[in-house]
Amino acid sequence: GQQLNQSPQSMFIQEGEDVSMNCTSSSIFNTWLWYKQDPGEGPVLLIALYKAGELTSNGRLTAQFGITRKDSFLNISASIPSDVGIYFCAGQSNTGNQFYFGTGTSLTVIP
Amino acid sequence: ETGVTQTPRHLVMGMTNKKSLKCEQHLGHNAMYWYKQSAKKPLELMFVYSLEERVENNSVPSRFSPECPNSSHLFLHLHTLQPEDSALYLCASSFRRDSYGYTFGSGTRLTVV
Repeated sequence: GQQLNQSPQSMFIQEGEDVSMNCTSSSIFNTWLWYKQDPGEGPVLLIALYKAGELTSNGRLTAQFGITRKDSFLNISASIPSDVGIYFCAGQSNTGNQFYFGTGTSLTVIP
Repeated sequence: ETGVTQTPRHLVMGMTNKKSLKCEQHLGHNAMYWYKQSAKKPLELMFVYSLEERVENNSVPSRFSPECPNSSHLFLHLHTLQPEDSALYLCASSFRRDSYGYTFGSGTRLTVV
């Protein structure tokens, strides 16, 4: 299957700091999704991106569809304790239907 | 409340047991999925049902047997599992197969002893 590499694997930040994470693939994707998974819960969709170069915000979260179509970025501004969780990217290529998921970035926010 | 409900939330079973995981959605979605989530690994797609028909089976061992009796319900029947099958099993649904992202359930944490 497709390989999606997320970095960093984990982050420990102070409350109020901004966060950046990214996801890269070896092939071109037509759709990028970003999910957040709270402990003991399933992933929840945060942002969906459908066009290269697209920049979309959801509150303090901003995601971008890379112009090469092989990467995507997620930024969180002014982090708060409830931002704690694992953030997953998912991509869908133009050669198939399936969404492929990254290994996740674990975020810890220190009050 | 995510709209996709999974039961049980936790399950401990012996290797000779038979158990079933249940997933229910009332979102009007026509596609449902089973995923396996293991530590430090990407979500692994196991099965896809579209309009109650199984359309994908990603080389999953036969000790996992899915069932989709209608568009709102999805089951995963388990028998003679191995310890390495211990994981979080997530159910998801979408309006159409692989469209616009999935709505996930909270998962069943399975431990095989």
